[in-house]
Amino acid sequence: DIVMTQTPLSSPVTLGQPASISCRSSQSLVASDGDTYLSWLHQRPGQPPRLLIYKISNRFSGVPDRFSGSGAGTDFTLKISRVEPEDVGVYYCMQATQSVTFGGGTKVEIK
Amino acid sequence: EVRLEESGGGLVQPGGSLGLSCIASGFVFSDNYMDWVRQAPGKGLEWVGRSTNKAHSYIKEYAASVKGRFTISRVDSENSLHLRMVSLQIEDTAVYYCVTWISGVAYWGQGTQVTVSS
Repeated sequence: DIVMTQTPLSSPVTLGQPASISCRSSQSLVASDGDTYLSWLHQRPGQPPRLLIYKISNRFSGVPDRFSGSGAGTDFTLKISRVEPEDVGVYYCMQATQSVTFGGGTKVEIK
Repeated sequence: EVRLEESGGGLVQPGGSLGLSCIASGFVFSDNYMDWVRQAPGKGLEWVGRSTNKAHSYIKEYAASVKGRFTISRVDSENSLHLRMVSLQIEDTAVYYCVTWISGVAYWGQGTQVTVSS
């Protein structure tokens, strides 16, 4: 199984300031079709996960442009350019290149 | 609009059985891989299993933690996905989500709660 490792576990951030979350996979996420199936999800308490980014850097419909994804191979990053109050919650990276596995989550909270 | 609606959750005793369903709409169901993902209270996300699509012969795959106890099935004519769970353990307590994939995009349902407790 591909292991997904997220850092940090927790990220206290100041409103209006940037935030960054890293995700590393135990093997390359480049699939046989050439795509890289790395997504980022956001989850608020009591709610289902919400897709933010798919295939490394594509924002899902309705996702604000302050969210961006980057990376390649085994190393990926989610960036929030200016944190808003509604951005608090847990962020997960997820790979679907080989079955499906998730990172352990990063809790974003306001300082 | 892609919609996934899970149902069937509830309270069951250890060793008991339960069946979950997911009704899909907004896409050609037979074309899609369908997954079950769960989340235990206060924990992260765990992939449970998958049904591939018609083109890939409806192969079923399972996480090691549920293999032999959980069975995934689908009825394409009814746009439905099912999860049969037997020999349930306390550690199976979780919200269970139905997930489908379209061009690399994962669509999630709202989830259904399964509680295993005596």
